[in-house]
Amino acid sequence: GAGVSQSPRYKVAKRGQDVALRCDPISGHVSLFWYQQALGQGPEFLTYFQNEAQLDKSGLPSDRFFAERPEGSVSTLKIQRTQQEDSAVYLCASIPYPRGNTGELFFGEGSRLTVL
Amino acid sequence: AQKITQTQPGMFVQEKEAVTLDCTYDTSDPSYGLFWYKQPSSGEMIFLIYQGSYDQQNATEGRYSLNFQKARKSANLVISASQLGDSAMYFCAMREVNNAGNMLTFGGGTRLMVKP
Repeated sequence: GAGVSQSPRYKVAKRGQDVALRCDPISGHVSLFWYQQALGQGPEFLTYFQNEAQLDKSGLPSDRFFAERPEGSVSTLKIQRTQQEDSAVYLCASIPYPRGNTGELFFGEGSRLTVL
Repeated sequence: AQKITQTQPGMFVQEKEAVTLDCTYDTSDPSYGLFWYKQPSSGEMIFLIYQGSYDQQNATEGRYSLNFQKARKSANLVISASQLGDSAMYFCAMREVNNAGNMLTFGGGTRLMVKP
């Protein structure tokens, strides 16, 4: 596809379950970002990859959150032992290198996680 | 301190009128970029407009213009001739030189509602 693709679009998990969210960036985009967006708030940075290297994970809220991008394309965000406060939309974004004049991030439609 | 502040949680505008969405920012970097994104109910973040800190002129993109006042650290979005399809969340964001990759920091957003 032409844009950033995320799956699943919606996920309902029982508290304590593990979840995996997938992001397929725009082909050829080197950098990939994960953001968390709580209801009614702006996106908050979680982590950043350049190719397969995770260069910044300072935004991950706890060690229950883990992200990987083993081949430098598709990325997976995994949340272990989900808690209710993990309920949010998880947005993936990518950007080419070099970034172009404006350097805007290209976002997917997000994965909405609801933890019961 | 908040890096990006959007003080208007919600705004109403009459169809065909202009509206200004406020954004103030905080940075000590001499080089930075400012962005506005639109997020309709579908969830995808849509890039609208970009302003570089060294740009001499205010950015414009169709019905969107950015009122950039560097000394006041404000970057307000002006939407002219509002349309019903403009109803959405609007986010101001900033990229600083020292940010991981090209990570953007977002404000809390403004919900715009266009009245027919």
